[in-house]
Amino acid sequence: DAGVIQSPRHEVTEMGQEVTLRCKPISGHDYLFWYRQTMMRGLELLIYFNNNVPIDDSGMPEDRFSAKMPNASFSTLKIQPSEPRDSAVYFCASSRGRSETQYFGPGTRLLVL
Amino acid sequence: EDQVTQSPEALRLQEGESSSLNCSYTVSGLRGLFWYRQDPGKGPEFLFTLYSAGEEKEKERLKATLTKKESFLHITAPKPEDSATYLCAVLPSGGSNYKLTFGKGTLLTVNP
Repeated sequence: DAGVIQSPRHEVTEMGQEVTLRCKPISGHDYLFWYRQTMMRGLELLIYFNNNVPIDDSGMPEDRFSAKMPNASFSTLKIQPSEPRDSAVYFCASSRGRSETQYFGPGTRLLVL
Repeated sequence: EDQVTQSPEALRLQEGESSSLNCSYTVSGLRGLFWYRQDPGKGPEFLFTLYSAGEEKEKERLKATLTKKESFLHITAPKPEDSATYLCAVLPSGGSNYKLTFGKGTLLTVNP
């Protein structure tokens, strides 16, 4: 079975531009998580979904960040407008059940100039 | 607030030199403690889940143990391919909080 798929793998953009990150979870997994990883703060949970419904978005840093999950096989994380401090690696993870192991995608490396 | 502290931040070993990584945690109740391995440029890769104090799990040269306040990842006779960052995370019990809290990791380098 394919693992979690993320695209793009790398993104370089200019401040003020809109950025959209994409994720396809593992088939059959009902939980999807978005994380951000930086050297300073490590891995931080931004938001998670259960059966396509956002459950907890308390980790979303600002209103510039939004996430959607229109169906069980696709989710997006959007940053609009982007700022240099958004530069980080963004990971998507999925799990079968809320207490079960989370499996991570390869990440999207975002650089905002 | 749940907290996870990993030590040391970095560890350099010679091939075959056994050692342990530490993960100390503060959580109101523990549903599970997870160990992941992360290679440069890749996502975290699941290694183990521990659920209760006294539990141990092994995989090749790695063994994870759990007490009420900390977990250890023991590496026996490591090889250069064990070089990676090892992450620890806790999942709290109770209520509707199903959020993993991660430590910042231990960067392990094994020299041949």
